[in-house]
Amino acid sequence: DAGVTQSPTHLIKTRGQQVTLRCSPKSGHDTVSWYQQALGQGPQFIFQYYEEEERQRGNFPDRFSGHQFPNYSSELNVNALLLGDSALYLCASSLDRKETQYFGPGTRLLVL
Amino acid sequence: QKEVEQDPGPLSVPEGAIVSLNCTYSNSAFQYFMWYRQYSRKGPELLMYTYSSGNKEDGRFTAQVDKSSKYISLFIRDSQPSDSATYLCAMSPMEYGNKLVFGAGTILRVKS
Repeated sequence: DAGVTQSPTHLIKTRGQQVTLRCSPKSGHDTVSWYQQALGQGPQFIFQYYEEEERQRGNFPDRFSGHQFPNYSSELNVNALLLGDSALYLCASSLDRKETQYFGPGTRLLVL
Repeated sequence: QKEVEQDPGPLSVPEGAIVSLNCTYSNSAFQYFMWYRQYSRKGPELLMYTYSSGNKEDGRFTAQVDKSSKYISLFIRDSQPSDSATYLCAMSPMEYGNKLVFGAGTILRVKS
């Protein structure tokens, strides 16, 4: 049973560029959440997608946007990258809101 | 003040010791509590989850929740070097699949 997968594993971008990160949820899961984890910190909630709609959003600017596809996979897009966007981006999936969330290995983004 | 406070450590113990990891929180609406383990450069792995107050045991791990004190704990018995990781507490006011609020994580080192 495949767990949550994310791509790419690592990414280097420069300030002002745009980036797209991808996530495939655990088999049978229909809800995808994205988190940002800065070095030495706990993950911070960005947003959650269910039935291809953004259902909840954390305190992140509009530069952070997402999408969920009919097969439940998801993308996180970040525009106009800032140095402070350097972090580990984690995707988590669950069965609707009732079940616990399982995390993928993350995408490590470095903005220079 | 952060919603969830967690001592970052590092906590260093000898192999076989009993480990106590703790979090305090300020939001009385939190009802769902989780502990995740995160190895270096990996995604968080779900260890334990509990609803409301009380104890829950799973093998060498015991999770405790004291809602009256807004305090949760994770105990690890017979600690092993393979338990060396960062332990993150997480909580949510509404179901496990909702937005999770994390502590900053405690680094645990178990010496052989």
